[in-house]
Amino acid sequence: EVVLTQSPNTLSLSPGERATLSCRASQSVGSALAWYQQKPGQAPRLLLYDASNRATGIPVRFSGSGSGTDFTLTISSLEPGDSAVYYCQQRASWPFFGQGTRLEI
Amino acid sequence: EVQLVESGGGLVKPGGSLRLSCAASGFTFNNVWMTWVRQAPGKGLEWVARIKDKSDGGTTDYSASAKGRFTISRDDSKNTLYLQMDRLRTEDTAVYYCVTATIPGTTYAFDLWGQGTMVTVSS
Repeated sequence: EVVLTQSPNTLSLSPGERATLSCRASQSVGSALAWYQQKPGQAPRLLLYDASNRATGIPVRFSGSGSGTDFTLTISSLEPGDSAVYYCQQRASWPFFGQGTRLEI
Repeated sequence: EVQLVESGGGLVKPGGSLRLSCAASGFTFNNVWMTWVRQAPGKGLEWVARIKDKSDGGTTDYSASAKGRFTISRDDSKNTLYLQMDRLRTEDTAVYYCVTATIPGTTYAFDLWGQGTMVTVSS
């Protein structure tokens, strides 16, 4: 199995700041990694796939990088509406999802 | 409109059964892999089961906790996905999401999610 470990567990930042969220895989997943945003009471929303490709309608403030075992989601110039839990997900094997990072603005 | 709509959730006693349905519309259902993902109250996302499309063999995969108790299936003529859940346990209590990847060239990046259906297992 491929385990994804996200850090930090919680991140508190102010509007306008930059957020950097990390996702580390227990073994290489190539570039097959996705990021999701989930707000309270809502289904998750796909932000990025294949490590750095933005999904339809996702603002350019959201960017991703990395390959192999280390990945980063960067949110530049935070807005209050970015408060959410962010999950990474790999394609290779169960359990597929990381445990999430809560971002508080 | 492109959407997934789940139904069938509810309250069931431990050891009981429930069948979830997911009605798909607005895209070519028979061309995509379909997956169930669940989320226990206050917890993270958990992948439950997946069924590939027929061109990829229609094969199924399950998490360790679902294997032997849950059965995923699809009816392409009705654009509907199912999850038969038997021998339910209290730890199966969660919102169950029907999800799929419609982005060309990907099968894992879930860009389409249903609204979720709540399953509560309690005596």
